Amino acid sequence: DTEVTQTPKHLVMGMTNKKSLKCEQHMGHRAMYWYKQKAKKPPELMFVYSYEKLSINESVPSRFSPECPNSSLLNLHLHALQPEDSALYLCASSQRSRMGGGYGYTFGSGTRLTVV
Amino acid sequence: AQKVTQAQTEISVVEKEDVTLDCVYETRDTTYYLFWYKQPPSGELVFLIRRNSFDEQNEISGRYSWNFQKSTSSFNFTITASQVVDSAVYFCALRGFNYGQNFVFGPGTRLSVLP
Repeated sequence: DTEVTQTPKHLVMGMTNKKSLKCEQHMGHRAMYWYKQKAKKPPELMFVYSYEKLSINESVPSRFSPECPNSSLLNLHLHALQPEDSALYLCASSQRSRMGGGYGYTFGSGTRLTVV
Repeated sequence: AQKVTQAQTEISVVEKEDVTLDCVYETRDTTYYLFWYKQPPSGELVFLIRRNSFDEQNEISGRYSWNFQKSTSSFNFTITASQVVDSAVYFCALRGFNYGQNFVFGPGTRLSVLP
């Protein structure tokens, strides 16, 4: 299994809703990432988990709350989002936990989130 | 500071034409890695190639080829005999060797291959 699976593929939520995005990989990768991608822009890093511990938070607002229950699963809990949070949310994983270096990331196909 | 520039915002070609996507990067690191990713309409970022700063050999993979020139800080990507399935956004990215360095993505080039 060489995939990163993200669910749901599409999500519409109101500003008072609570929802969660899910990401799963079974490649034995020890680092997992959340990226946010606005239309016609490159992805922007949000969070990095290394060995199931949060190692990097790129000053993301607290209405986004990541969770890594085990080495294969990464969640992003959403609460009280704003319309400007509408974007494609991409999950990625990598074999090694060190962010620099030459190893590649495997990306999921993303969740297209619309906040109304 | 690190920076990646993809000067071509959008390119349209007719099927079977060759097309080159430009990538120019800036870094002060002596060891770094360059990547190309493809993002089709389905959304996922598909890894195409990785090059380290010490390997300037050009690479060919099927219809894809890459030209890495440190002298001009460029890592250009050519698709030969383009196909409709090549239509996507292509990102060039740079990452340093040291711990904590994230990808620096270019703004992307949207390629449309018309039948």
